[in-house]
Amino acid sequence: DTAVSQTPKYLVTQMGNDKSIKCEQNLGHDTMYWYKQDSKKFLKIMFSYNNKELIINETVPNRFSPKSPDKAHLNLHINSLELGDSAVYFCASSQEAPDTQYFGPGTRLTVL
Amino acid sequence: GQQLNQSPQSMFIQEGEDVSMNCTSSSIFNTWLWYKQDPGEGPVLLIALYKAGELTSNGRLTAQFGTTRKDSFLNISASIPSDVGIYFCAGKHAGGTSYGKLTFGQGTILTVHP
Repeated sequence: DTAVSQTPKYLVTQMGNDKSIKCEQNLGHDTMYWYKQDSKKFLKIMFSYNNKELIINETVPNRFSPKSPDKAHLNLHINSLELGDSAVYFCASSQEAPDTQYFGPGTRLTVL
Repeated sequence: GQQLNQSPQSMFIQEGEDVSMNCTSSSIFNTWLWYKQDPGEGPVLLIALYKAGELTSNGRLTAQFGTTRKDSFLNISASIPSDVGIYFCAGKHAGGTSYGKLTFGQGTILTVHP
């Protein structure tokens, strides 16, 4: 029943490791996004994919690589994790009209 | 980059009181959205606004798209304890890509005392 789901919910890892976060939406939306929410709760977009094609790529280190195997999935792979990567990462999806976004429950990443 | 100023940053109110919060932008938006985020959850869409001057209600919530297209307001009437959370405004720029790039405000943390 969950519209936008993410796994895992929590991720604790050591600096330098590589990790992935998965996102799936069952809303039939064409566009998916990754956001980062910092400790001050500020939400900032990282990437956007439309029909598996990269549309928005904000100024994000190239250690972050999104991958969209199909339009219902958008995974986020992070290489060489750093302390500053600790945050909550949210996946979202939308259909162009109406252009509103629906968010997943978030993945809290802690880098030690 | 684009800035959205959301105020107040936090509010402490008594149950039953009305609440108002607003967002202002230095540039024009063609869509304003209001979200609520509960602890440990993702933001949930409350109200979407698409036209300047539009006034839309969702239960006890009412939001308005400012006539200048540079601001938006959210009012919550007769607050209840479950209104607690962080409220975010978000705007989508006029023109440019239609793929939904949103800019978020800093959030308003609402605490409701029973």
